[in-house]
Amino acid sequence: GESVGLHLPTLSVQEGDNSIINCAYSNSASDYFIWYKQESGKGPQFIIDIRSNMDKRQGQRVTVLLNKTVKHLSLQIAATQPGDSAVYFCAEKYNFNKFYFGSGTKLNVKP
Amino acid sequence: DADVTQTPRNRITKTGKRIMLECSQTKGHDRMYWYRQDPGLGLRLIYYSFDVKDINKGEISDGYSVSRQAQAKFSLSLESAIPNQTALYFCATSVGHEQYFGPGTRLTVT
Repeated sequence: GESVGLHLPTLSVQEGDNSIINCAYSNSASDYFIWYKQESGKGPQFIIDIRSNMDKRQGQRVTVLLNKTVKHLSLQIAATQPGDSAVYFCAEKYNFNKFYFGSGTKLNVKP
Repeated sequence: DADVTQTPRNRITKTGKRIMLECSQTKGHDRMYWYRQDPGLGLRLIYYSFDVKDINKGEISDGYSVSRQAQAKFSLSLESAIPNQTALYFCATSVGHEQYFGPGTRLTVT
């Protein structure tokens, strides 16, 4: 069946450094891939998405890369700030409007 | 005001009790979802609804039921709660490929 998973459960970075969070997926039929940020005590919040026919998309301080050859997705956060500390989930959209989530990576930003 | 609200935010209940979690949204979206989140795991889909007359089971629907009372309201019920239903429950709406989540309900079944 479909699976979306993350390589690293916890990532610690120094404030100001760049962060890279990775995700593997297995469903080639997914048409969108999405990154969410979940802060403690809150619901997931949309960060950025990428359509399956693209390989890169940039937002404000964030970039998502999609490698369909190896079914890999990554989220890059530039100049990581303490406010970026959270759990990050990748998700894929398939079958019209169903979403499948990975298990999450916790990003810890050290001051 | 929050676009997606959930009540209650926290609930402790006993095994065998019936409990309802409520979700309301002001975003005007047709599509609504219920997920559960367990420590160390991602969100797992319980039920989803693409409009008022449409209800679909997700990957872990056993032990749960839902009701879509209106476009804005989607309730999740546990008919007879059991301890392994202790989890964080999220309601979400979507338009296109973006989902909007509520703040979650932390449910503990003792």
